Amino acid sequence: AQKVTQAQTEISVVEKEDVTLDCVYETRDTTYYLFWYKQPPSGELVFLIRRNSFDEQNEISGRYSWNFQKSTSSFNFTITASQVVDSAVYFCALSEADRGSTLGRLYFGRGTQLTVWP
Amino acid sequence: DGGITQSPKYLFRKEGQNVTLSCEQNLNHDAMYWYRQDPGQGLRLIYYSQIVNDFQKGDIAEGYSVSREKKESFPLTVTSAQKNPTAFYLCASSMGLAGDPSYEQYFGPGTRLTVT
Repeated sequence: AQKVTQAQTEISVVEKEDVTLDCVYETRDTTYYLFWYKQPPSGELVFLIRRNSFDEQNEISGRYSWNFQKSTSSFNFTITASQVVDSAVYFCALSEADRGSTLGRLYFGRGTQLTVWP
Repeated sequence: DGGITQSPKYLFRKEGQNVTLSCEQNLNHDAMYWYRQDPGQGLRLIYYSQIVNDFQKGDIAEGYSVSREKKESFPLTVTSAQKNPTAFYLCASSMGLAGDPSYEQYFGPGTRLTVT
């Protein structure tokens, strides 16, 4: 079963629109970490954010914001006033930390291809 | 500059040949990982190593082999037993000790392997 689900395969928006990328995860661990990565056309994944399971505060970094809700097992990512340079594939990932879990490995969603048109 | 180097960026091989993909890091990270990426599939874990001279199979290890003789290096060999080797291969490392899951992974630029 997929531990991380990104239901949106592709999203297209026009510049300056806001866009939200959805991420739903599944785990039985009480301690876990959630990540978002960006993969531009060059191919290298770039780390964006990490969240632990005990911190449900939303986070904002410039035009990026993240909404973590344990009640719905979701960790959604919003880009405000999107720009052409935001065009990339975005991955959500999960790592589990309880005893017995395979420590250190990341479980990735299948990614969402975001295209921002000028 | 600290980072992860993967070479070459593009690699072409004939079917039936083994090929080794290079991954080097100068971040002093203990843990290293190999992923395979196919269109629409996301990243799938091939092998990972939490410390020198130790490594574990990931979800799709069949047809692949690795070694971890040095902290900085984690080469991946794609053997002729791998049925569909054409893919984009990404190497990553993490500073987490003993696989500490709280640390993010840093990725190399990837190697695109084409086998015909």
